[in-house]
Amino acid sequence: AQKITQTQPGMFVQEKEAVTLDCTYDTSDQSYGLFWYKQPSSGEMIFLIYQGSYDEQNATEGRYSLNFQKARKSANLVISASQLGDSAMYFCAMTSAGKSTFGDGTTLTVKP
Amino acid sequence: GAVVSQHPSWVICKSGTSVKIECRSLDFQATTMFWYRQFPKQSLMLMATSNEGSKATYEQGVEKDKFLINHASLTLSTLTVTSAHPEDSSFYICSARDPRGAGNTIYFGEGSWLTVV
Repeated sequence: AQKITQTQPGMFVQEKEAVTLDCTYDTSDQSYGLFWYKQPSSGEMIFLIYQGSYDEQNATEGRYSLNFQKARKSANLVISASQLGDSAMYFCAMTSAGKSTFGDGTTLTVKP
Repeated sequence: GAVVSQHPSWVICKSGTSVKIECRSLDFQATTMFWYRQFPKQSLMLMATSNEGSKATYEQGVEKDKFLINHASLTLSTLTVTSAHPEDSSFYICSARDPRGAGNTIYFGEGSWLTVV
């Protein structure tokens, strides 16, 4: 069975500082994809970043980077230079064998 | 731009009526689509996996007769909430798996807010 664990229900960060959102996963599959999504208060799900299980380099997309540690089964999201608009709920997800599993989410609040 | 489109974004319906939500993949053929429901401040709950040309696979506890899923084409899956009741009010979101490349990329629709009055 697949499982995603996000241990931080809520996080606070000062504007312009970096923040790391934790995500650990559990799967017996060798091939899988890891995703991070942002869900603002409007409810839509915004794709942020993707890491394939066979990718050797950590994925980066603008201010977002994924700290992928395969042996530890962790896929933490790092947001650099936080902005007020980054305040939202963040979901870590894994897809494998055509199925997606989501974590419970982390609510990030950026303080001015 | 969006690669998975969900419609409508907002819908209000009367109790006892049915409402249909559409999920379309815009630039790829999605053999597999997923339907989720999100309760306030909670994670997405997978309701069912929709496979083109075959019956949907429902998760345990999801009433298949109430939440009808049809995946008649490679770009369209629909979720019909039949005989809706106020407790069905929720945020429903679909996703589609892109079979190209490694086949592990999932794109989400924008979501649909359903309010049953």
